[in-house]
Amino acid sequence: EAGVVQSPRYKIIEKKQPVAFWCNPISGHNTLYWYRQNLGQGPELLIRYENEEAVDDSQLPKDRFSAERLKGVDSTLKIQPAELGDSAVYLCASSPRQGEYIQYFGAGTRLSVL
Amino acid sequence: TQLLEQSPQFLSIQEGENLTVYCNSSSVFSSLQWYRQEPGEGPVLLVTVVTGGEVKKLKRLTFQFGDARKDSSLHITAAQPGDTGLYLCAGARGYGQNFVFGPGTRLSVLP
Repeated sequence: EAGVVQSPRYKIIEKKQPVAFWCNPISGHNTLYWYRQNLGQGPELLIRYENEEAVDDSQLPKDRFSAERLKGVDSTLKIQPAELGDSAVYLCASSPRQGEYIQYFGAGTRLSVL
Repeated sequence: TQLLEQSPQFLSIQEGENLTVYCNSSSVFSSLQWYRQEPGEGPVLLVTVVTGGEVKKLKRLTFQFGDARKDSSLHITAAQPGDTGLYLCAGARGYGQNFVFGPGTRLSVLP
């Protein structure tokens, strides 16, 4: 069974440029998470989806970040415009359903903003 | 302010040594998880504990949840180089709640 797939693995952009990350969760998983992990820190939740509905986006900086999960499967996370402080690893995770203890993480996208 | 604190922040030991890392909070959690993350990869779940005082073993790893469900420890016996990685704890306040991660303990086991 394929795990959570993220692309690209690495992205280098200049500040003020837009960037997008893509996540394909494990088949059948209803819950999808986007996290940001700064260097030397644990992951911090940005947004959680239950199917196609964003049920918790309280930590998403909505002035520049947006996310969507069309048809409740794949998801994209966008930053426009990117700032130097956005450099981090962006992780996607999925769970079979809300309340399930197990989260399966993708390998992440490492973003460097120059 | 971190909801979850982990100590030590860094740990470097020789192969064969034992070690314990800690996860502490002033908050009560309904469940707590431990993950290991290797460079360039996402975290991988090791264990979930839900009952105060619970002890779980996974080969050479022993996990304990504090009686008050505010803290947890991870003990590794006879560490091996393959145990090297970032150990993260994550806690949820209630069923269906998001898990909040600690900053992690970076372990290096030298051959």
